[in-house]
Amino acid sequence: RKEVEQDPGPFNVPEGATVAFNCTYSNSASQSFFWYRQDCRKEPKLLMSVYSSGNEDGRFTAQLNRASQYISLLIRDSKLSDSATYLCVVNSGGFKTIFGAGTRLFVKA
Amino acid sequence: GAVVSQHPSRVICKSGTSVKIECRSLDFQATTMFWYRQFPKQSLMLMATSNEGSKATYEQGVEKDKFLINHASLTLSTLTVTSAHPEDSSFYICSARIGAGNNEKLFFGSGTQLSVL
Repeated sequence: RKEVEQDPGPFNVPEGATVAFNCTYSNSASQSFFWYRQDCRKEPKLLMSVYSSGNEDGRFTAQLNRASQYISLLIRDSKLSDSATYLCVVNSGGFKTIFGAGTRLFVKA
Repeated sequence: GAVVSQHPSRVICKSGTSVKIECRSLDFQATTMFWYRQFPKQSLMLMATSNEGSKATYEQGVEKDKFLINHASLTLSTLTVTSAHPEDSSFYICSARIGAGNNEKLFFGSGTQLSVL
């Protein structure tokens, strides 16, 4: 089993749609969780950290469920510019940061 | 925010040659940097952790004699792909970490696309 697993993509959605990604992790001792965004052949960029209480940043909402060991990312009112690959990232302590395989999102006009 | 500079951005080389990739932290000191490899449509795979002034820590399956890492200063880490072969063609990217826990942030270089002919 992979340490971090994400929804298989791609997700093809129209502009204005709401889309949700899930990610599961295997190490129950994992401490920190993040969502990164990566555009094609570019470096990943931090989208948001994921807190136990859940957090929201504009159209983006991230949630963490420690009991079930998954995190989620909700994007509301999708924009064309949201098209990218979204990476679930888990830190199990120390320097061990694990990236999920990514979920590709295509937002169409 | 912190800036990590990586170059070259693209390299095309002949099989058997060695290629050096540089990763610099421009406005902060990075005692630890990370090197990743990414194949098309796959996620980043951590290759090694580069520690300033000491030997790099390699992930399982990564040949340390093939991927030489040097972190001689607090602002520079280099990855040398020795005797490159076509199967080494990939997107290589470095990062530096600032902070810890939920305040952790990874700052990435812009990546190097290596094509070995």
